[in-house]
Amino acid sequence: EAQVTQNPRYLITVTGKKLTVTCSQNMNHEYMSWYRQDPGLGLRQIYYSMNVEVTDKGDVPEGYKVSRKEKRNFPLILESPSPNQTSLYFCASSLTTSNQPQHFGDGTRLSIL
Amino acid sequence: KNQVEQSPQSLIILEGKNCTLQCNYTVSPFSNLRWYKQDTGRGPVSLTIMTFSENTKSNGRYTATLDADTKQSSLHITASQLSDSASYICVVPRSNYQLIWGAGTKLIIKP
Repeated sequence: EAQVTQNPRYLITVTGKKLTVTCSQNMNHEYMSWYRQDPGLGLRQIYYSMNVEVTDKGDVPEGYKVSRKEKRNFPLILESPSPNQTSLYFCASSLTTSNQPQHFGDGTRLSIL
Repeated sequence: KNQVEQSPQSLIILEGKNCTLQCNYTVSPFSNLRWYKQDTGRGPVSLTIMTFSENTKSNGRYTATLDADTKQSSLHITASQLSDSASYICVVPRSNYQLIWGAGTKLIIKP
């Protein structure tokens, strides 16, 4: 089954404790992206990757890191999480973004205390 | 400024009724517009993609329209079902790799 898998689905942690949210897709997609979703706002892009070893900042990259060492995986790293990073995070992938729909994971709800 | 605005913010209708959701955009240059459905606690799922030359596109009970001159799109849902309760999000690409997402319309279908 074609899917985007995120882990963990839920995480409560404390300020400053490094964490990684994993994302994996099995569709051989070149493009992957991370978004955060906050109440009343549209999805905001954090980082995206056009292919292996090619990444770029989205609209809200501060406080986040990513890597794309393999085509299928695109982890999101919070080196020193802060409460303002409490949010719902989505990973997505697509062949391209111009005329292809993005496939989303089921989300990771992060709470930073 | 590139923006996507949706209305209404929320809508409650009775099961079996029709409804129309609106999207206005100011993104330029324009290539296509997408509608996504997002169930509570789940990731968005693509409903339709409309290119510049398309005026109307249907996907089952969902019909999207696009007026590129006025920069408006609508999503019409016919004979609503309880499973249609979700947020509906309008999305316009800003570039090949970045999209601008509307805040969505939260639709609640009551039995």
